[in-house]
Amino acid sequence: GENVEQHPSTLSVQEGDSAVIKCTYSDSASNYFPWYKQELGKGPQLIIDIRSNVGEKKDQRIAVTLNKTAKHFSLHITETQPEDSAVYFCAAGGEGGSYIPTFGRGTSLIVHP
Amino acid sequence: KAGVTQTPRYLIKTRGQQVTLSCSPISGHRSVSWYQQTPGQGLQFLFEYFSETQRNKGNFPGRFSGRQFSNSRSEMNVSTLELGDSALYLCASSLSPSGVGETQYFGPGTRLLVL
Repeated sequence: GENVEQHPSTLSVQEGDSAVIKCTYSDSASNYFPWYKQELGKGPQLIIDIRSNVGEKKDQRIAVTLNKTAKHFSLHITETQPEDSAVYFCAAGGEGGSYIPTFGRGTSLIVHP
Repeated sequence: KAGVTQTPRYLIKTRGQQVTLSCSPISGHRSVSWYQQTPGQGLQFLFEYFSETQRNKGNFPGRFSGRQFSNSRSEMNVSTLELGDSALYLCASSLSPSGVGETQYFGPGTRLLVL
């Protein structure tokens, strides 16, 4: 089955800095890679996703890059703000009828004012 | 529009008992997925229902089961509870089956403690 590794487990940055979270996956059949943000006491919230036919996707301060050859994808947050502090999860899965997502273990991002 | 609601929010059970959790998706959403979140294993996919049919199932024992009603509301059941079933159980809904370009919206979860 799919195995997703996520690093780092904790990331501490100063407000305004950039943050990068990296994930690797094992199953070459995976072609859908969402990222979620989970705040304390709440369920995960999709923040950005990418499909295997795209190398990079950007949405304001958030971007995701995908390297299918190396089987890794990364989340980039620029100009971090204290409200970005949360746990971030990556996931991988085959899109369509067989979509069974496998999640990374999460990264706790702390943005210091 | 109301978000995904899950009931109850907190639950305490003892080993050997069974439990039923409920999820009401966003109005109009026909797909409901269930996830288990624990500190040890992280977030794990349980199963997904679409139009009252189980579409996909994760790697969990048969003690974990679910169903979906004609109004898209879903329930999951865990029989013969074990201590390791203590977790946050999350429900997520989407318009179409997950993983086909439809955003999944998560509820706040039901926190289950098994004593």
